[in-house]
Amino acid sequence: EAGVVQSPRYKIIEKKQPVAFWCNPISGHNTLYWYRQNLGQGPELLIRYENEEAVDDSQLPKDRFSAERLKGVDSTLKIQPAELGDSAVYLCASSPLRDKYSYNEQFFGPGTRLTVL
Amino acid sequence: AQSVTQLDSHVSVSEGTPVLLRCNYSSSYSPSLFWYVQHPNKGLQLLLKYTSAATLVKGINGFEAEFKKSETSFHLTKPSAHMSDAAEYFCVPLTHPGGKLTFGQGTILTVHP
Repeated sequence: EAGVVQSPRYKIIEKKQPVAFWCNPISGHNTLYWYRQNLGQGPELLIRYENEEAVDDSQLPKDRFSAERLKGVDSTLKIQPAELGDSAVYLCASSPLRDKYSYNEQFFGPGTRLTVL
Repeated sequence: AQSVTQLDSHVSVSEGTPVLLRCNYSSSYSPSLFWYVQHPNKGLQLLLKYTSAATLVKGINGFEAEFKKSETSFHLTKPSAHMSDAAEYFCVPLTHPGGKLTFGQGTILTVHP
């Protein structure tokens, strides 16, 4: 079974440029997460989807970040314009949705390492 | 709200010696706790989870953790370290509803030959 797929694996851009990351979750997983991991830190949740609905985007900086999951399968995270402080690893994870009071293991992709110059 | 403290930012062991990665939690009720591992340039992988069933939890790759309510601890152990265990380890509490994981800074494990 294929795991969570992310692309690109690495991206280098200049500040003020736009950038997009793509994630394809494990087949059948209803819930999709985007995390940002700064150097030397643990991942921080940016947004969580249940199917097409963004159910938790409280940590997403909405002035420059946007995300979509139009058909409830794959997802795109965009930054426009990028700033120097956006350099980080962006992780995507997915999990099956059983019920919101049980733990559904999150499966993580390898991440996209973004460098903003 | 639940929170955890990983007591060591770096742990260094020799191959074949025991591993102990310490995690204390702070919660007014019995938490759900997990250990994740992150190898360099790879995604996070679940090692094991505690969800108020057995207090001694066995995970993958020979790791286990014991939930001790009296000590508010959930330390990760392995009897004998292998070179492939070198990675960063995160002790993570789960928030209900929604299954939100809140990661801290982690512990970097180095294994020497």
